Amino acid sequence: AQSVTQLDSQVPVFEEAPVELRCNYSSSVSVYLFWYVQYPNQGLQLLLKYLSGSTLVKGINGFEAEFNKSQTSFHLRKPSVHISDTAEYFCAVSANTGNQFYFGTGTSLTVIP
Amino acid sequence: NAGVMQNPRHLVRRRGQEARLRCSPMKGHSHVYWYRQLPEEGLKFMVYLQKENIIDESGMPKERFSAEFPKEGPSILRIQQVVRGDSAAYFCASSPWAGGAKTDTQYFGPGTRLTVL
Repeated sequence: AQSVTQLDSQVPVFEEAPVELRCNYSSSVSVYLFWYVQYPNQGLQLLLKYLSGSTLVKGINGFEAEFNKSQTSFHLRKPSVHISDTAEYFCAVSANTGNQFYFGTGTSLTVIP
Repeated sequence: NAGVMQNPRHLVRRRGQEARLRCSPMKGHSHVYWYRQLPEEGLKFMVYLQKENIIDESGMPKERFSAEFPKEGPSILRIQQVVRGDSAAYFCASSPWAGGAKTDTQYFGPGTRLTVL
């Protein structure tokens, strides 16, 4: 089975500062990796995903993530955050076998003016 | 193109009652997933359905929970004889058949927040 760990439950950061949200996964098979964002009282929306190819993936709203197979990580980064980036961020993994998606417990990003 | 619709957005039930949660996928999407989100936790997979078929229900509790996605109409998640532990946010997601469910982007609805008194 697969699992996802988001070590940081809360990340406060000042506006225009860089941010990194960490995600580690475990799996015995090849995986596909996703980052989703959830704004208050809304469903999740996709930020970016890694399926294959280049390990640096660019997504919406200026976010990017890098797949590191040796460290089993898929950290999310943004060089300069805005107030509007305040939200809950979820890392997710699916395997090339089975149908399930496994989500981490989420990281609450708070951007401080 | 309307997004994934879920209703009701908020549902209050007393212990022992039934809860019915509805999900209308995006137009053209034939795959539906249901997830449960407990407070301070991530989303937990419950069930994956295609029209008229349950593909994977390995995340669904064995008792009291059922799901369907009929040929016509929305997908329904049904919880019988609800208990306080069923209080959670239930999210539905849909995806098109684009080469494999495992790589598809899932489009999420706004969720139904179930409160069991």
